[in-house]
Amino acid sequence: DIQMTQSPSTLSASVGDRVTITCRASQSIVTWLAWYQQKSGKAPKLLIYEASSLESGVPSRFSGSGSGTEFTLTISSLQPDDFATYYCQQYNSFWTFGQGTKVEIK
Amino acid sequence: EVQLVESGGGLIQPGGSLRLSCVDSGFTVRNNYMSWVRQAPGKGLEWVSLIKTDDGTYYADSVKGRFTISRDNSKNTLYLQMNSLRVEDTAVYYCARGLSGGRCCHFDSWGQGTVVTVSS
Repeated sequence: DIQMTQSPSTLSASVGDRVTITCRASQSIVTWLAWYQQKSGKAPKLLIYEASSLESGVPSRFSGSGSGTEFTLTISSLQPDDFATYYCQQYNSFWTFGQGTKVEIK
Repeated sequence: EVQLVESGGGLIQPGGSLRLSCVDSGFTVRNNYMSWVRQAPGKGLEWVSLIKTDDGTYYADSVKGRFTISRDNSKNTLYLQMNSLRVEDTAVYYCARGLSGGRCCHFDSWGQGTVVTVSS
């Protein structure tokens, strides 16, 4: 089974900050990786798929990069609406989510 | 617009059974990869099961042999039959549409979730 490990688990940041979240896979997943945003009590929302493709309607301040086993989600300038929990998900072999990264107000 | 609506959750004793449903009026269920993902209270997302367009089915090890995913195309409805429920199955259960751009799947549309509580 492929394990996904996100870091950090919690991130404190201010509006306007550049934020980077890392996701590591236990084996190569090529670029079969997605990123989701989840707000409390709500369903997850797809942000990025295939490691770097921006889902339609998602603001361009979100970007994804990486291949193989190491991936990053970057928010170029954090906005008030971005405080949430973020999950990576691999789909190279079955489907596995990372444990999540909570982005909170500093 | 895809609008997935889950139902069927509730309070059930350990060892009991429940059947969850997920319906979309836009005929999403019958034409797509569909999945169930759950989230235990205060925890992260856990993939549970997926059905492909060829009706191939896949399960997480934690539910294999106890849960069954299926769909009724005439009703455009996805199901998750859950048997031999355990306390650790307590979670919000989401249905989601899977998209494949060469590899199945990332999940682009999600329902609002239905709560399953397993407790005596």
